[in-house]
Amino acid sequence: DTEVTQTPKHLVMGMTNKKSLKCEQHMGHRAMYWYKQKAKKPPELMFVYSYEKLSINESVPSRFSPECPNSSLLNLHLHALQPEDSALYLCASKGQGDTEAFFGQGTRLTVV
Amino acid sequence: GEDVEQSLFLSVREGDSSVINCTYTDSSSTYLYWYKQEPGAGLQLLTYIFSNMDMKQDQRLTVLLNKKDKHLSLRIADTQTGDSAIYFCAEFYNDMRFGAGTRLTVKP
Repeated sequence: DTEVTQTPKHLVMGMTNKKSLKCEQHMGHRAMYWYKQKAKKPPELMFVYSYEKLSINESVPSRFSPECPNSSLLNLHLHALQPEDSALYLCASKGQGDTEAFFGQGTRLTVV
Repeated sequence: GEDVEQSLFLSVREGDSSVINCTYTDSSSTYLYWYKQEPGAGLQLLTYIFSNMDMKQDQRLTVLLNKKDKHLSLRIADTQTGDSAIYFCAEFYNDMRFGAGTRLTVKP
């Protein structure tokens, strides 16, 4: 199993809603990442978890709250988002010493 | 400015070779990658090169790395219409950083 699975694939939420994005991998990777990608732009790093601990937070607003409850699962909790937060949110994982980072297909988020 | 730079657009005819260029700034990068992204899709790893290599060939893909100039290129031989996509180069040290992406258009 070399997949990173992200759910949901699409999400539409209002600015007062609370929702969560989920990312799952069963490759034993201990580094997991959240990226945000706006249309026609490269992915931008948001958070890095290493061994279930947050190791990098790229100055992301607090309305995005990551959580890594176990080595296979990475969540991104969303609250009070703005329309400009609409984007493709990509999750990735990488094993220590591995060459390849595996990306999920992303969750396309629309904030209305 | 960005740590990884790419030209934004490339247009070629079907059957020609495509060369996509990238420059990076972090000499500590251990791996350099090329990803392909089709419209509405996630990122697909095409190939990677370790920083102590000069060249890597994988079927129609050839990656060249000039570590002195921090220049990376991806050559696609016999480009097909299905190769039309955005191609991102990326460098990895402690985390992965992407270039702006090059939109490749292949004309029949």
